[in-house]
Amino acid sequence: NAGVTQTPKFQVLKTGQSMTLQCAQDMNHEYMSWYRQDPGMGLRLIHYSVGAGITDQGEVPNGYNVSRSTTEDFPLRLLSAAPSQTSVYFCASSYLFPGSGGYTFGSGTRLTVV
Amino acid sequence: KQEVTQIPAALSVPEGENLVLNCSFTDSAIYNLQWFRQDPGKGLTSLLLIQSSQREQTSGRLNASLDKSSGRSTLYIAASQPGDSATYLCAVPSTGNQFYFGTGTSLTVIP
Repeated sequence: NAGVTQTPKFQVLKTGQSMTLQCAQDMNHEYMSWYRQDPGMGLRLIHYSVGAGITDQGEVPNGYNVSRSTTEDFPLRLLSAAPSQTSVYFCASSYLFPGSGGYTFGSGTRLTVV
Repeated sequence: KQEVTQIPAALSVPEGENLVLNCSFTDSAIYNLQWFRQDPGKGLTSLLLIQSSQREQTSGRLNASLDKSSGRSTLYIAASQPGDSATYLCAVPSTGNQFYFGTGTSLTVIP
């Protein structure tokens, strides 16, 4: 099925550990993005990419790294996990840019940092 | 920075009722606005995309309106059903390749 696939669905980390959240899309979308969703805060953009080899920071980039070596994949790396990074993380992609249509979200990764 | 607000935060209605969800934004220089639906534990699903040149957009029982000058959009749901229970979010794209989301309205339709 075409869409955005995120793995894992759930993860528990200890403070200081690192990990990578995976995101893959098979729709040949140029634009990919990572959001975090926290109660009362809505969705906030972490990083985004407008194409392979091009990434940029969003609203809350600190503590996260991204890279885009292929059109299909956009992994999010937590360098040294902190309890403040406990959240639900969503990957989303669209054909060109937000609002260009076809904006598709993955089902999310629920991350708990203890 | 664009600020997007949704009121009310939660809404509970009996089945069959028509209802309106509100979205307001501070920067009226937008080129479109999008409404999404989020079911518990799931990602967001796009419902309607309304361009700045449009005043309304319809899909089935859903109708979205946009008034750029007043910084408001409404999502009208006709003849609500229990399956409409979800959180509804509006989002406004910026010129800087970002979406600004509201915090959503949690809708419960009671059978």
